Amino acid sequence: QVQLQQWGAGLLKPSETLSLTCAVYGGSFSGNSWNWIRQPPGKGLEWIGEITHGGGTNYNPSLKSRVIISADTSNNQFSLKLTSLTAADTAIYYCAGGRRQVFPFSSAWVYWGKGVLVTVSS
Amino acid sequence: SSELTQDPAVSVALGQTVRITCQGDSLRTYYASWYQQKPGQAPVLVIYAKNNRPSGIPGRLSGSTSGNIASLTITGAQAEDEADYYCTSRDTSGIHVFGAGTKVTVL
Repeated sequence: QVQLQQWGAGLLKPSETLSLTCAVYGGSFSGNSWNWIRQPPGKGLEWIGEITHGGGTNYNPSLKSRVIISADTSNNQFSLKLTSLTAADTAIYYCAGGRRQVFPFSSAWVYWGKGVLVTVSS
Repeated sequence: SSELTQDPAVSVALGQTVRITCQGDSLRTYYASWYQQKPGQAPVLVIYAKNNRPSGIPGRLSGSTSGNIASLTITGAQAEDEADYYCTSRDTSGIHVFGAGTKVTVL
């Protein structure tokens, strides 16, 4: 049974950098797409970006200039860095993953972390 | 990028059938996936790859696509189906896009 465990700082100040890590337990890191998704309080889901086991990345264009997603395959972990934070970045941040889908199928994120609430406030 | 449009809310009587729709140009190219989210919980994948259900998802949930509209149908809705439902798809540049979500109330 694959489980995702995520951690990182929950209270940050404007202009600081968000740093979160997600560990994959009980399953293979390879062959899957690993993603970060966020949800502002009371609002909908927003995809941030993904990394594959080969290290390829895709980012939401609206965040691309501020986002880096990286992976440590030796430890089955992947991480998110989001720079130049503002209050608009306050959200629950989820890590999620699943078998990478081939065209014309989109996502199959069957594995989810519990989420970390990140609050950006001075 | 491409947008996915969902109705904000729908209601269904216990045991009846409800269809949740998701409309967007990208759905002419990519199949949608559907996620269920209950309050205070992480989303759960319910439909992927046209009309596949992960293990543990009941058969009363099914997916379909016609043109640029993807649908999630709950046949014989149960109280535990009350949740927010999000569709998602890739757009033509390969990034993932979510719909705004549909709140399903079971009466």
